[in-house]
Amino acid sequence: DAGITQSPRYKITETGRQVTLMCHQTWSHSYMFWYRQDLGHGLRLIYYSAAADITDKGEVPDGYVVSRSKTENFPLTLESATRSQTSVYFCASSAGLAGGLDTQYFGPGTRLTVL
Amino acid sequence: AQSVTQLGSHVSVSEGALVLLRCNYSSSVPPYLFWYVQYPNQGLQLLLKYTSAATLVKGINGFEAEFKKSETSFHLTKPSAHMSDAAEYFCAVSDSGGSNYKLTFGKGTLLTVNP
Repeated sequence: DAGITQSPRYKITETGRQVTLMCHQTWSHSYMFWYRQDLGHGLRLIYYSAAADITDKGEVPDGYVVSRSKTENFPLTLESATRSQTSVYFCASSAGLAGGLDTQYFGPGTRLTVL
Repeated sequence: AQSVTQLGSHVSVSEGALVLLRCNYSSSVPPYLFWYVQYPNQGLQLLLKYTSAATLVKGINGFEAEFKKSETSFHLTKPSAHMSDAAEYFCAVSDSGGSNYKLTFGKGTLLTVNP
C-alpha cells in the first residue's frame, strides 16, 4: 500500500530555473492539495484540486503552476524559482466524501532549496 | 474567514507530566477541528478530529481534545507525556459547509519531552 508519495525528497536548484515536484497517490482520492511549510508560518495552501482537470488557488499561489490530468497525480511546477520559494512542500489528498470532515493524508514532503 | 491560533510555539514537559497544547479558532460557521502531528522529517498525520458528535474527542496515542464553543477553543491534552510524543503539533479548522474541503492550519507547537 504505497499511499501518497512525493518526489524528489530533496532538491537544490538555482534562481530562475524551472522545477517540478511530483505527487502520486494510490487511493483514487478526489481531492489533492499542495502546501508549503515555513518556520513561523505553519502550513499554507498553495493550490488544490477537486478532481482531474479541476484546480483552484489557495492562500499563496503566486509563482506556482499545477495541473491534474490524471486523478492520481498532482505535479507542482515553479516556473522560475526564487529564493523565497525555499521551503518544505507537502502534498496531501482526501477522499472528498465528507465535506469539511474529510481527513487529509500527507506525503513525506520535498525539501526544496533555491540558491 | 476562518483562522486558528496556537498559543505557544514551543512547549517543554517532563516525561510523565501532563501535556496541554492550546488552540483557539475563529469561524463564522460551526467548525470542524483537527489536530495533526508531525514527527521529524515526516509528513503530517491525523491525531483526532471534532465532528460535532461529542465535545470530548479521543485520538490516537492517548491524546484527547475538548471542544468548548464558549471559549472557541480545542485544546489538546495527554495525561502523561512519553518521549515518543516529541513532535510538532498542528491545529486546523475547516468549514462545516458541505463543499469546503480546505483546511486552515495554525502555526504549530513544537513539543519537547525531557527525560
